[in-house]
Amino acid sequence: KQEVTQIPAALSVPEGENLVLNCSFTDSAIYNLQWFRQDPGKGLTSLLLIQSSQREQTSGRLNASLDKSSGRSTLYIAASQPGDSATYLCALRDYGQNFVFGPGTRLSVLP
Amino acid sequence: KAGVTQTPRYLIKTRGQQVTLSCSPISGHRSVSWYQQTPGQGLQFLFEYFSETQRNKGNFPGRFSGRQFSNSRSEMNVSTLELGDSALYLCASSSYGTGRQETQYFGPGTRLLVL
Repeated sequence: KQEVTQIPAALSVPEGENLVLNCSFTDSAIYNLQWFRQDPGKGLTSLLLIQSSQREQTSGRLNASLDKSSGRSTLYIAASQPGDSATYLCALRDYGQNFVFGPGTRLSVLP
Repeated sequence: KAGVTQTPRYLIKTRGQQVTLSCSPISGHRSVSWYQQTPGQGLQFLFEYFSETQRNKGNFPGRFSGRQFSNSRSEMNVSTLELGDSALYLCASSSYGTGRQETQYFGPGTRLLVL
């Protein structure tokens, strides 16, 4: 059974810092991995989608990498801003076509 | 293009009642997935519908059911509500629901409180 973990569970950084969020998974048989952000009480917003054959994806200040062999993905946020404060979730689509989500990392960027 | 919409946004029910939640996907999307989000269990996959057929199902009891209509709108039903069913229920849509380039688009959710 696929299990997804995210470290750290919570993170607080001053504005302007670069930071890395981690996502680990136990089964490398995945179609893709997606990073989302969720604002309090709201739905999820897709940030980046990495296909299983890809190593990384970039969008603006965000860069996500995928290493299937080690069961890891990282989300790098450059020059963090208070507006980046949210919970960040990674999710995998496994070969059974089910989505498995990590528990999330709650990020606070302090002005 | 309008996003995924869910109704109602908030709902209060009592134990033993049943509830129906609705989701309208992005126009042209044929896959709709449902998730339950709770503080203790996080985000858990309930089921996925594609072209009016349930394609995948998560590990939830039979009290949780759903359906999809010919216009791709979907409903989920929870019968005999329990206190533990209190959660944020999220719906997501995508074009086909398969393939490596598919991105899911989420609605704002329905917050259900069971008293």
